[in-house]
Amino acid sequence: AQSVAQPEDQVNVAEGNPLTVKCTYSVSGNPYLFWYVQYPNRGLQFLLKYITGDNLVKGSYGFEAEFNKSQTSFHLKKPSALVSDSALYFCAVSVSRNLVFGKGTRLSVIA
Amino acid sequence: ETGVTQTPRHLVMGMTNKKSLKCEQHLGHNAMYWYKQSAKKPLELMFVYSLEERVENNSVPSRFSPECPNSSHLFLHLHTLQPEDSALYLCASSQEKTAGATSAPLHFGNGTRLTVT
Repeated sequence: AQSVAQPEDQVNVAEGNPLTVKCTYSVSGNPYLFWYVQYPNRGLQFLLKYITGDNLVKGSYGFEAEFNKSQTSFHLKKPSALVSDSALYFCAVSVSRNLVFGKGTRLSVIA
Repeated sequence: ETGVTQTPRHLVMGMTNKKSLKCEQHLGHNAMYWYKQSAKKPLELMFVYSLEERVENNSVPSRFSPECPNSSHLFLHLHTLQPEDSALYLCASSQEKTAGATSAPLHFGNGTRLTVT
């Protein structure tokens, strides 16, 4: 069965510093991988996805993610964090019709 | 605006009530979804209507009943709910090209916050 793990419930980073939100996955077959962000009292917003091709994927708001097949990871990164990046981030994997989400990581960017 | 509108935003209901959640998408998508978001749990897919087929999570209790009258509208009918059903219910849509894995991004509404008393 496919699964997604986000090992950190909370990530704290100072504004202007680089940030990483971790995600590992377990699937049989080639995965489609996604990152979503959720701001308070809102639904999830799509950030970026990996389907095939270049392992480094660029997305919205300056975020990027690197697909690493050998480590089965898809970590979300940003070179310089903003206070407005503070939100809940979800990694997701799709192999069949079902999109499976991780539990989410709360990112706090401190000014 | 997200392109996916959910009503109501908040709903409080007793365990004997019957209510319905409504979702409408203005994006021309061909797939719609219901997700349940509970505190400190992964999002749980409840139902999918995609490419004229319905897929459901077999662990969803029968007190939840979806209805998709057309590609733009999705309902979730609720009856005799339990307090543990209190959660944020999210509707989403996407444009699927094939019947295989979901490769298109989902567009979510802002959810209905349901409280069962």
